[in-house]
Amino acid sequence: QQQVRQSPQSLTVWEGETAILNCSYENSAFDYFPWYQQFPGEGPALLIAIRSVSDKKEDGRFTIFFNKREKKLSLHITDSQPGDSATYFCAAKKGNTGKLIFGLGTTLQVQP
Amino acid sequence: DPKIIQKPKYLVAVTGSEKILICEQYLGHNAMYWYRQSAKKPLEFMFSYSYQKLMDNQTASSRFQPQSSKKNHLDLQITALKPDDSATYFCASSQEGQGNERLFFGHGTKLSVL
Repeated sequence: QQQVRQSPQSLTVWEGETAILNCSYENSAFDYFPWYQQFPGEGPALLIAIRSVSDKKEDGRFTIFFNKREKKLSLHITDSQPGDSATYFCAAKKGNTGKLIFGLGTTLQVQP
Repeated sequence: DPKIIQKPKYLVAVTGSEKILICEQYLGHNAMYWYRQSAKKPLEFMFSYSYQKLMDNQTASSRFQPQSSKKNHLDLQITALKPDDSATYFCASSQEGQGNERLFFGHGTKLSVL
């Protein structure tokens, strides 16, 4: 039973378009939601994160929209670049712990 | 320069053997973790250590034993290896207690059990 779900499994956009990656979760106790970016052969790297007290977090071209009532969040990547091609993982945790619950990931391909 | 060093990068083992995965972090963090990434499964939390003490263990099998000989080391010993253990194992670290919840991951050790 997956606690964190991501969709779509894979996504292809053209350079300059906005990519939208979706995530939902089960446990209403989760209060911290990071998104990690992973390139082949590397470990995941933190891209951007949001706490449950906020409904939006922006960092350059990356924005998280968070809906606590529906237990959903999404990552928007504006002006997508070929270098953004990677797998993106939504994760969640509760409290002061390093135990993250990850989704299966969305593989993004940005076509030039 | 990689701040979390995992060795080896690739590892091939035979069923029933024992291997040790090495992890060293040079970020000055007080907490370290092991995660596992298997095909078709989410990245999965295994262990967490804080100040060299085991804090959380989500691995049912005692075949997986973390070993912390130094503050910045957290190795993972796996005994009686099975083909199902084939996965990429990631070490991670963070600085607990300062409101910084960011986990830094190493590049992983890809283990193949034949």
